[in-house]
Amino acid sequence: EVQLVESGGGLGQPGRSLRLSCLTSGITFRSYDMNWVRQAPGKGLEWIGFIRGDIYGGTVEYAASVKGRATISRDDSKETSYLQMDSLRVEDTAVYYCTTGTHFAFDFWGQGALVTVSS
Amino acid sequence: EIFLTQSPGTLSLSPGERATLSCRASQSVSISYLAWYQQKPGQAPRLLIYGTSSRAAGIPDRFSGSGSGTDFTLTITRLEPEDFAIYYCQQSSRPPPYTFGQGTKLEMK
Repeated sequence: EVQLVESGGGLGQPGRSLRLSCLTSGITFRSYDMNWVRQAPGKGLEWIGFIRGDIYGGTVEYAASVKGRATISRDDSKETSYLQMDSLRVEDTAVYYCTTGTHFAFDFWGQGALVTVSS
Repeated sequence: EIFLTQSPGTLSLSPGERATLSCRASQSVSISYLAWYQQKPGQAPRLLIYGTSSRAAGIPDRFSGSGSGTDFTLTITRLEPEDFAIYYCQQSSRPPPYTFGQGTKLEMK
């Protein structure tokens, strides 16, 4: 069974940083691109970036809305992906999901981690 | 960046009816790169359709996808009570960014 479990959510202060983790099991982690998607309260889904599988070079891509403030990384030995968000803004308040899959789609999703940015 | 526009914003139907949801792209999307998701309140999205028309594992055959170029459709025949949710289309064209449509809320009449 494939499982993705996010952790590290909570209250963040404007201008500070927050790091989320996504621990996976049930997949050959190093072969999978790991994506991060967020959903602001009552809003739709927003893709924010991904890191390619190690066998594809482990390069990263970001949405314009977070480029320069988001850093996605991975530790294949821990089968874990990370999302660090710097210079937090109130509008970064959202549920953050890690997701991955095959066939150019997102088969597997974590349960989501709520990040609330407030002073 | 490819923008996806879904219509209608809200669709009100009754169980047993047929639902047709539209997703229009701002530029052509390969059929390999178009997917549909269902999301219920408090839950993560669930993949329904990938590659425009292939059902994901465990998805009932009342869900079907079609389309090409810039126009894609998700059809749900014979709506069941558990089908009332929000539906998103998503494209994964290369190069990124990947994008989602704004969603269609399917509500029970």
